Amino acid sequence: ETGVTQSPTHLIKTRGQQVTLRCSSQSGHNTVSWYQQALGQGPQFIFQYYREEENGRGNFPPRFSGLQFPNYSSELNVNALELDDSALYLCASSLGQPQETQYFGPGTRLLVL
Amino acid sequence: RKEVEQDPGPFNVPEGATVAFNCTYSNSASQSFFWYRQDCRKEPKLLMSVYSSGNEDGRFTAQLNRASQYISLLIRDSKLSDSATYLCVVNGAGGTGRRALTFGSGTRLQVQP
Repeated sequence: ETGVTQSPTHLIKTRGQQVTLRCSSQSGHNTVSWYQQALGQGPQFIFQYYREEENGRGNFPPRFSGLQFPNYSSELNVNALELDDSALYLCASSLGQPQETQYFGPGTRLLVL
Repeated sequence: RKEVEQDPGPFNVPEGATVAFNCTYSNSASQSFFWYRQDCRKEPKLLMSVYSSGNEDGRFTAQLNRASQYISLLIRDSKLSDSATYLCVVNGAGGTGRRALTFGSGTRLQVQP
């Protein structure tokens, strides 16, 4: 396995609520990227954190926000949940070199009712 | 136009068959290229990186044509265990920064006994 862990594994929320998802990166990795994967689609890049700073962002609204901690673990926060936020949320860790392989955690499956 | 395009399939092939997947990408500045494999309800896992010179790993061969912005994956002697979705992935595409991975929607392979 990759050594990347995520919690929780599954989550059910209602529209308008807020959610926090967590990711622990592989030992020695200082970069965490978050992706959203809707059913039948490939993962879509949300943002990336490198040494506690946001280091790139995809086409997601500001209600998607994140943090990275000194131990390089990370959180993804989503406010004002919408039905379309239902998806698999994946985090991936790497050493931060531009062309380096990213290793994915098992994901958090979020259902918004 | 999608940044990374793949035929969604499904490709249904008998055991032992040879199958080829193709992928095109739109950003000529893309820097690195990968094939990931994703099993049902699991996270993507790196299958192989793709180099301009072409590379092979056992039954799998990947090719990159930068001039045509085209990537391929060839699987020889298909096994039942090869059944999965194959994701074409480009690093540095889409204006989200050099470190973001851009995924195609995936090609589903089903190997039949």
